[in-house]
Amino acid sequence: DAKTTQPPSMDCAEGRAANLPCNHSTISGNEYVYWYRQIHSQGPQYIIHGLKNNETNEMASLIITEDRKSSTLILPHATLRDTAVYYCIVRVGQGNTGFQKLVFGTGTRLLVSP
Amino acid sequence: NAGVTQTPKFQVLKTGQSMTLQCAQDMNHNSMYWYRQDPGMGLRLIYYSASEGTTDKGEVPNGYNVSRLNKREFSLRLESAAPSQTSVYFCASRENTGELFFGEGSRLTVL
Repeated sequence: DAKTTQPPSMDCAEGRAANLPCNHSTISGNEYVYWYRQIHSQGPQYIIHGLKNNETNEMASLIITEDRKSSTLILPHATLRDTAVYYCIVRVGQGNTGFQKLVFGTGTRLLVSP
Repeated sequence: NAGVTQTPKFQVLKTGQSMTLQCAQDMNHNSMYWYRQDPGMGLRLIYYSASEGTTDKGEVPNGYNVSRLNKREFSLRLESAAPSQTSVYFCASRENTGELFFGEGSRLTVL
């Protein structure tokens, strides 16, 4: 699976949009981009995923560049409860063997302040 | 609907002792996974089970064994615990679309 690069930490003011970047320059054509977050030491929580089109759900938006070498997770109105470590992961297709190589990395620690 | 449930949540062992971490999911998922997370690091896959009756090694399987008891339950056993196995262990299950659901973690300390 393609490796990802994320900044180790970011700050955001409460109520503002948080834009978390991820670089995955070696991504293959059939690899999806997934985002998870981990609050304190709880189990990671799924946020969103996409292949090449931009995606939006109730939690966030995912913007993938046209060449698919990078993406941005957007939390439109960050709250204090969004303080967490955010992981960007790429994996192959929707089949099961992709998870054998799922690599979470160290992620981006987002701190949302009042 | 409890999702993924892990027991115990905390455990302290002495070197050489054995123990089993239990995991159960009530979402009727086929695939289940065990990860470990060391301080300041991401998750590393220990073992996974693609379906009932099958198990496979992940990135860091040494020192562990697993059992997929039935579709709901996937246990992780440490036969002879070592200090290097001090970690937080997460169980996860997955639906066919690929989203992983995680438990709350089991914090293990080996002295």
